[in-house]
Amino acid sequence: DAKTTQPTSMDCAEGRAANLPCNHSTISGNEYVYWYRQIHSQGPQYIIHGLKNNETNEMASLIITEDRKSSTLILPHATLRDTAVYYCIVGGSEKLVFGKGTKLTVNP
Amino acid sequence: NAGVMQNPRHLVRRRGQEARLRCSPMKGHSHVYWYRQLPEEGLKFMVYLQKENIIDESGMPKERFSAEFPKEGPSILRIQQVVRGDSAAYFCASSRGTGRIYEQYFGPGTRLTVT
Repeated sequence: DAKTTQPTSMDCAEGRAANLPCNHSTISGNEYVYWYRQIHSQGPQYIIHGLKNNETNEMASLIITEDRKSSTLILPHATLRDTAVYYCIVGGSEKLVFGKGTKLTVNP
Repeated sequence: NAGVMQNPRHLVRRRGQEARLRCSPMKGHSHVYWYRQLPEEGLKFMVYLQKENIIDESGMPKERFSAEFPKEGPSILRIQQVVRGDSAAYFCASSRGTGRIYEQYFGPGTRLTVT
């Protein structure tokens, strides 16, 4: 079973920041937090991952709380093409355990 | 930089036939993973392979399913005597290594339909 809890769905206006929360209260000290997304029925796409520190890349930012029990994925300027199911995954070693994710809808 | 390639993209088989799904990992990647996504369900891990070795097949059904990743050539997921319940999207992913710092990159998937 997935070790994360995410809201089922979220909406965001185009051009605004999308903040997707994830709870992972049972995360172990050496487990990473990974984010993937799946656009429609395409293959999942890797977004970002982190251990303790906040991370940023060309796609998104990842904010991890100090106690590491939750995190937030931030898409700074959401576009219609960011509409997808976003998965927060803890661990990442070898097999990925996908939960139900958050269905993000970006509205014009 | 070619990504993970899968073929065929769509495959139709009649009940009882065999299905062969191919996956070519990204260049430089020696680790391959197979996942299955049943209609309206989430992705489920099936098997993890390195060249010529099956490392973890804990998600593979015990019968009719097999996987290989030979020294040369793509990884193959084989489903024998397909049944309607095998209809799903099968995704392959690859990574440079294993462990917590190696992200997996996914292919576009093979949509298997069993009639």
